Amino acid sequence: DVRLVESGGGLVQPGGSLRLSCVASGFPFNNYWMQWVRQAPGKGPEWVATANPDGSEKYYLDSVKGRFTLSRDNGERSLNLQMRSLRVEDTAVYYCVGTGRYASWGQGRPVTVSS
Amino acid sequence: QPVVTQEPSLTVSPGGTVTLTCGSSTGAVTDGHYPYWFQQKPGQAPRTLIYDTRNKFSWTPARFSGSLLGGKAALTLSGAQPEDEGDYYCSFAFNGIGVFGGGTKLTVL
Repeated sequence: DVRLVESGGGLVQPGGSLRLSCVASGFPFNNYWMQWVRQAPGKGPEWVATANPDGSEKYYLDSVKGRFTLSRDNGERSLNLQMRSLRVEDTAVYYCVGTGRYASWGQGRPVTVSS
Repeated sequence: QPVVTQEPSLTVSPGGTVTLTCGSSTGAVTDGHYPYWFQQKPGQAPRTLIYDTRNKFSWTPARFSGSLLGGKAALTLSGAQPEDEGDYYCSFAFNGIGVFGGGTKLTVL
């Protein structure tokens, strides 16, 4: 079975940094695009960032460009999101999500940006 | 950034059929936009029902089907059940950039 287990996140003040990690199992991680999706309280999902299978292509939501950095380690089967200069509007539950036939969602990690 | 548009709400009778659609501000939706459909129930994470326009997962009930219809992506529910009530979201890929629709609140009544 596909399993995506996220860790990290938490509470941080505006301007602070946090890191999210996702470890995948149950599918050929090395061959699939992977993404982070967030969902603010009471809102719909919002795509955040995507990496291609070897990590050479990365795409970001305009509002996080220059602040968030996506990386993947295929040897560790992990997808990571380094978040800097966090803003109140980044507050959301962040999900690691697969693609294609392996488009499962992790359980989500809350990120709260508040003073 | 492209805008993806869904019906805000739809109602279907138990046993009835309903089609949810997902349009793009850039024009006709194609298989190249890799349409996905997600279902979300209160307090739960979203769950993917359909990928790449029409492909299902083992957990996708047979009564759900995906297609392209009139330049949009479509999710058809045939034989609605009470447990199908919830929020449905679609997403497209635009050259690597993902965009979600605003969601359709489906009521089975």
